[in-house]
Amino acid sequence: GENVEQHPSTLSVQEGDSAVIKCTYSDSASNYFPWYKQELGKRPQLIIDIRSNVGEKKDQRIAVTLNKTAKHFSLHITETQPEDSAVYFCAASIAEQLVFGKGMKLTVNP
Amino acid sequence: DAEITQSPRHKITETGRQVTLACHQTWNHNNMFWYRQDLGHGLRLIHYSYGVQDTNKGEVSDGYSVSRSNTEDLPLTLESAASSQTSVYFCASSGTGSTTGANVLTFGAGSRLTVL
Repeated sequence: GENVEQHPSTLSVQEGDSAVIKCTYSDSASNYFPWYKQELGKRPQLIIDIRSNVGEKKDQRIAVTLNKTAKHFSLHITETQPEDSAVYFCAASIAEQLVFGKGMKLTVNP
Repeated sequence: DAEITQSPRHKITETGRQVTLACHQTWNHNNMFWYRQDLGHGLRLIHYSYGVQDTNKGEVSDGYSVSRSNTEDLPLTLESAASSQTSVYFCASSGTGSTTGANVLTFGAGSRLTVL
């Protein structure tokens, strides 16, 4: 089955810096790659997603890139703010099931 | 507004008892999922359903069961609760119709279960 690896597991940055989270997946048939943000005590919420026919997607301060050949995808957050502090999960899917990475805790220091 | 609700939000039970966590969605989504979240393990799929009367096992299904008698509900039952099932449980749903893969997953608020 699909296996999603996410790294690093924690990241601490200064406000205004950029943050990058990297994920790899194992099954070349996966074709949908969402990113979820989970604040403490809250539910995961979709922040951006990319499908296999697109290499890059951007939404304001966040962007996702996908390299299907290497089977990895990354989340880029620019101009980080304290409210970006959360746990971020990547996921990959075949058909309609999502397999999640273990998450990365991002801390943005003011 | 459409939503997905879970109940109870918090529950404490004893080892060996049967527990049912409810999940109700008003999105009219065909697909429903149960995940558990544990520190260091992320979100792991327990069971899922693609429609009424359809249920499937996920990665960590042992000790859990689900049933889908209508579109709106997918209750998760722990037949005999164990301490290893102490966790936060998330229900999620998604629609169908995309021609390019999985659809956007919407999560409920979660149910925190403690098994003593």
